[in-house]
Amino acid sequence: DVKVTQSSRYLVKRTGEKVFLECVQDMDHENMFWYRQDPGLGLRLIYFSYDVKMKEKGDIPEGYSVSREKKERFSLILESASTNQTSMYLCASRWTGANQPQHFGDGTRLSIL
Amino acid sequence: RKEVEQDPGPFNVPEGATVAFNCTYSNSASQSFFWYRQDCRKEPKLLMSVYSSGNEDGRFTAQLNRASQYISLLIRDSKLSDSATYLCVVNGIVYQKVTFGIGTKLQVIP
Repeated sequence: DVKVTQSSRYLVKRTGEKVFLECVQDMDHENMFWYRQDPGLGLRLIYFSYDVKMKEKGDIPEGYSVSREKKERFSLILESASTNQTSMYLCASRWTGANQPQHFGDGTRLSIL
Repeated sequence: RKEVEQDPGPFNVPEGATVAFNCTYSNSASQSFFWYRQDCRKEPKLLMSVYSSGNEDGRFTAQLNRASQYISLLIRDSKLSDSATYLCVVNGIVYQKVTFGIGTKLQVIP
């Protein structure tokens, strides 16, 4: 079974803090993704990485950055957290290929106060 | 027009009923299709891939209609445990282009 692990299930931070969300997968997947999910808006892609040290902006990258130094780990960074970044954050990974499904981590519920 | 459209519901159905969801997509060049299930406050989990010839997994049947650009999910003999949100997912030609529908909420009632 694919295992995608996110570092925290729940996280509370203050406005202006730098926040790190970590994601690790154990299947040697090339592609990794970060989404946020908000009620009524569905899943929105923040960033993705198709291989080590590679990254591409998704649909809503503003206020975020990412790091992929090792194949199994993909980090999402909130440079200066704001209240509108309160959300559920989901990491996913998959093999390269248009017919490959994504596998998700448990999610991190992030609250910015 | 949204790239992937789903009726958000909720669909309230009695136990034992058959229920069907549709999902339409706008890009005719889309490559592959999936249904995911998401329970409240949990992550999406892969339910099944959708193949051109249609495919079945127990009580679940998925169909693809490329001419009309929609996929469907049929659930027979609904169980209380089927209550969840069902997400339609479309993969594009460009491998990183993955588009999620907003999800259809199903509530199976006793």
